[in-house]
Amino acid sequence: AQTVTQSQPEMSVQEAETVTLSCTYDTSESNYYLFWYKQPPSRQMILVIRQEAYKQQNATENRFSVNFQKAAKSFSLKISDSQLGDTAMYFCAFTVTSGTYKYIFGTGTRLKVLA
Amino acid sequence: DAGITQSPRHKVTETGTPVTLRCHQTENHRYMYWYRQDPGHGLRLIHYSYGVKDTDKGEVSDGYSVSRSKTEDFLLTLESATSSQTSVYFCATRPGLAAGNEQFFGPGTRLTVL
Repeated sequence: AQTVTQSQPEMSVQEAETVTLSCTYDTSESNYYLFWYKQPPSRQMILVIRQEAYKQQNATENRFSVNFQKAAKSFSLKISDSQLGDTAMYFCAFTVTSGTYKYIFGTGTRLKVLA
Repeated sequence: DAGITQSPRHKVTETGTPVTLRCHQTENHRYMYWYRQDPGHGLRLIHYSYGVKDTDKGEVSDGYSVSRSKTEDFLLTLESATSSQTSVYFCATRPGLAAGNEQFFGPGTRLTVL
């Protein structure tokens, strides 16, 4: 079975500092996609960043970057220069590129950015 | 953002009553999903659709049914609501199976079953 694990239920970081959120996954597939979604207090789910498994280069989007370790099945999210607006629940998610149409989500990490 | 709306946005109902939640999209996306979000569980897939009248079960489908009679609408029905179905329900869409397609989410529906 495919699983996604986020082992940090809650984290906090000082404004302007850097924080890393962890995500591990389990799959026997060789090609897949990984995502980080942000859910602010408004409850709207927003895509933060995505990574294609066959690409070795880590994805980056402005202050957000990932550390993708395929052999270790690890996909962590780094937020640099944290801002108050980064306060949210963050979900790691996974989907394969063939066969199933399903996505698997982790249980989430609640991040609070402190002023 | 994909045009995805959910109705109602909030609902309070009583145990044993039927409830239908509607997801409407204006993006002509092929795939549609219903999730429930509960503390400590993240998002769990209830049902999904890969085309008009084509649906399949997710990991928590017991007590739920779905229908998709046209591309833009995906209905989730609780035949006889129970307190364990109190949750926030999200609809999501996906354009196609092209590589890298993300899911787009609706705003969510908070359902309380008393």
